[in-house]
Amino acid sequence: AQSVTQLGSHVSVSEGALVLLRCNYSSSVPPYLFWYVQYPNQGLQLLLKYTSAATLVKGINGFEAEFKKSETSFHLTKPSAHMSDAAEYFCAVSEGNTGFQKLVFGTGTRLLVSP
Amino acid sequence: DAGITQSPRYKITETGRQVTLMCHQTWSHSYMFWYRQDLGHGLRLIYYSAAADITDKGEVPDGYVVSRSKTENFPLTLESATRSQTSVYFCASTKGTSGTNEQFFGPGTRLTVL
Repeated sequence: AQSVTQLGSHVSVSEGALVLLRCNYSSSVPPYLFWYVQYPNQGLQLLLKYTSAATLVKGINGFEAEFKKSETSFHLTKPSAHMSDAAEYFCAVSEGNTGFQKLVFGTGTRLLVSP
Repeated sequence: DAGITQSPRYKITETGRQVTLMCHQTWSHSYMFWYRQDLGHGLRLIYYSAAADITDKGEVPDGYVVSRSKTENFPLTLESATRSQTSVYFCASTKGTSGTNEQFFGPGTRLTVL
């Protein structure tokens, strides 16, 4: 069964600093990986997804993530944090492409951005 | 273009009462899901549905009942609410058919059981 580990329940950065949110996955077959963002009092929205087409995936709002099979990682980065990036971020995995697959979510990382 | 909506957005109830949370989507997506979000646990799948009249259990189904008589609606019922069911509940939907399909989430229902 697949699983996701997000290291760090909280990450604090200054505005303009690099954002790095860590995600490691466990999967018995090639995975599909997702990053979702949740702003206060809202549902989750998709930031980006890895579907095996390219290992470096670009998403919305300047975020990107790199799939590293050897490290079983899919870390999320943004070169320069903005105050509006403060939110909770969830990594998720689904297995394979043979029909419908459920998503399994990590426990989330709250990003705090200070002026 | 309503997308996916949930009602109510906030609900306070008492232990032992029956509560139904509503979810409606306008995309005609085949798959719909109910998750609960709790601190330290992220999102955990309660139930999901592949189509009208087809439902299946997720990770934490105990104490919950679902139905899906129409494609666009997927209500979640707590038959006898307990304090441990205090949580934020999210409904989601997807076209399905592939593990690459993203899920679209509603705004959530914050449920408090006293």
